[in-house]
Amino acid sequence: DTAVSQTPKYLVTQMGNDKSIKCEQNLGHDTMYWYKQDSKKFLKIMFSYNNKELIINETVPNRFSPKSPDKAHLNLHINSLELGDSAVYFCASSQEAGGGPNTGELFFGEGSRLTVL
Amino acid sequence: LAKTTQPISMDSYEGQEVNITCSHNNIATNDYITWYQQFPSQGPRFIIQGYKTKVTNEVASLFIPADRKSSTLSLPRVSLSDTAVYYCLVGSWGKLQFGAGTQVVVTP
Repeated sequence: DTAVSQTPKYLVTQMGNDKSIKCEQNLGHDTMYWYKQDSKKFLKIMFSYNNKELIINETVPNRFSPKSPDKAHLNLHINSLELGDSAVYFCASSQEAGGGPNTGELFFGEGSRLTVL
Repeated sequence: LAKTTQPISMDSYEGQEVNITCSHNNIATNDYITWYQQFPSQGPRFIIQGYKTKVTNEVASLFIPADRKSSTLSLPRVSLSDTAVYYCLVGSWGKLQFGAGTQVVVTP
């Protein structure tokens, strides 16, 4: 019954590899996000999709490419992984874009810890 | 985006009230103030949101002064399970950015 689920939870890989993280939400929300949390606990937004359309694309290297096959799924593909990509990646969803002033509520997954060696 | 400043850490004993103040001097007229809680190895969880004055729910209270340049999250009678990182966010439509948060440690 997990509302926002991400797979895999842990990912260890070598520099230069390509990897994907998948996210699914069963809340019926229209908007989904990817956030990156670094070792200092800062959570930075990377991308946001609303009804499969990209609405937020922060300054993220082109090696990161989100894909939303439908509004319940938002996957993150990373090419040519670098050491600095090591972080915890969180997927989130909300009923309205940006969380909305009425609820402000983002629902987060449990995170995917990526370690690049 | 309005920048937020909050203490890096706070320690408390069980049963005490914990108040975390967040400064947001550049808050815009249509910005709401939202607080999230994050436990280790979990995603952040919504706690409370407000626009002005006071908001209370079953988990916490949020106090916002008239100028809205700061806000205080109040956790009544904390328990060990309230040990977590608490984030203050300011914004409306669009991007919600999280700062470093406040690490609250509750000890017996």
